[in-house]
Amino acid sequence: VIWMTQSPSLLSASTGDRVTISCRMSQGISSYLAWYQQKPGKAPELLIYAASTLQSGVPSRFSGSGSGTDFTLTISCLQSEDFATYYCQQYYSFPWTFGQGTKVEIK
Amino acid sequence: QVQLQESGPGLVKPSQTLSLTCTVSGGSISSGGYYWSWIRQHPGKGLEWIGYIYYSGSTYYNPSLKSRVTISVDTSKNQFSLKLSSVTAADTAVYYCARGQAFDIWGQGTMVTVSS
Repeated sequence: VIWMTQSPSLLSASTGDRVTISCRMSQGISSYLAWYQQKPGKAPELLIYAASTLQSGVPSRFSGSGSGTDFTLTISCLQSEDFATYYCQQYYSFPWTFGQGTKVEIK
Repeated sequence: QVQLQESGPGLVKPSQTLSLTCTVSGGSISSGGYYWSWIRQHPGKGLEWIGYIYYSGSTYYNPSLKSRVTISVDTSKNQFSLKLSSVTAADTAVYYCARGQAFDIWGQGTMVTVSS
């Protein structure tokens, strides 16, 4: 099993801020990493796959980077609709696993 | 566009079998070579991948649930299903169906409560 450490678990930020969320793997996963956004009461939505490829329709203020064991999700200019919980997920090996989540809240 | 919709009982008694169906609309479950997964989320917690089925019928289950899980596909109905046996209160969760390895399409989710 690949263990994932996502940090921070809680991030307080203001509209317009640049925020970064980290996801670290217990072993290398090449670029088989996805990022999701989840709002309360809703299903997660795919933001980024293959570590850095933006899903169609996702605003360009979202970006992903990294490979191997260390990955980052960056929101360049936080908007009001971005306050949500974010998850990373690896699909390199079974069982596919998710990070613990990062809640981005209003400062 | 492809949409997924979960259906099934919202309340299951302990020790019984939880059964859910995911209906795929706007596209064929047999085309595109996609994996079709079940994922759950305990109340206020993170996401747990349960397992997938490929359109051909091949499956892979999370070892943490493997002894209790069966995922099947009915291509004629464009549906895939989840059965989770011997449920306890720890199986109370929102259950989602989703497409792919990076899950690009999700159902809205269905809350299942295990209680007598």
